[in-house]
Amino acid sequence: GESVGLHLPTLSVQEGDNSIINCAYSNSASDYFIWYKQESGKGPQFIIDIRSNMDKRQGQRVTVLLNKTVKHLSLQIAATQPGDSAVYFCAERGRTGGSYIPTFGRGTSLIVHP
Amino acid sequence: DTGVSQNPRHKITKRGQNVTFRCDPISEHNRLYWYRQTLGQGPEFLTYFQNEAQLEKSRLLSDRFSAERPKGSFSTLEIQRTEQGDSAMYLCASTSRASDVDEKLFFGSGTQLSVL
Repeated sequence: GESVGLHLPTLSVQEGDNSIINCAYSNSASDYFIWYKQESGKGPQFIIDIRSNMDKRQGQRVTVLLNKTVKHLSLQIAATQPGDSAVYFCAERGRTGGSYIPTFGRGTSLIVHP
Repeated sequence: DTGVSQNPRHKITKRGQNVTFRCDPISEHNRLYWYRQTLGQGPEFLTYFQNEAQLEKSRLLSDRFSAERPKGSFSTLEIQRTEQGDSAMYLCASTSRASDVDEKLFFGSGTQLSVL
């Protein structure tokens, strides 16, 4: 039988299109959020971050939006390129015991077609 | 290359054997994390060190798992009496707390463990 847990949400786009990847987070007390990109066989790589006192932050070709009311993050990638194909994770930093620990969501697979 | 080095890259072992992984973080980073990642899932927190002190340990971490960071530099993660369910990618990350808020993790490429 098929295991739902093995299938990542997937977003397929054409090269040059804009991509929007969404993430729902769980802890309303989380103070810091990060997007990571993970290519096959590699560890996650930092893309962009945002503090909880902001609602938008822009980087090079990427923008992160934070909606604390509905506990939602999005990552927008402009002019998507084949090299952007990877799995994207959002992470929230919340309190675990006496420390702040980044906790990762499940991830979205982005496939960019040339 | 992020500067975080993990060895070995791959480990195949038989059920019941002990395995040890090593992580060399970026040299000036005082914080070190271990995560585990299975196929189709995000990294799952295992344990966290600040310098040589192990400050947090996940409640999901069985007592067969132990981690050390003896001199506040490299770290080892040992799994005793491995089980097939331990098969996963084990990721190490490090960071230096430049502020009270920002905490970008730099990840190594991981050790892929397969327990037969």
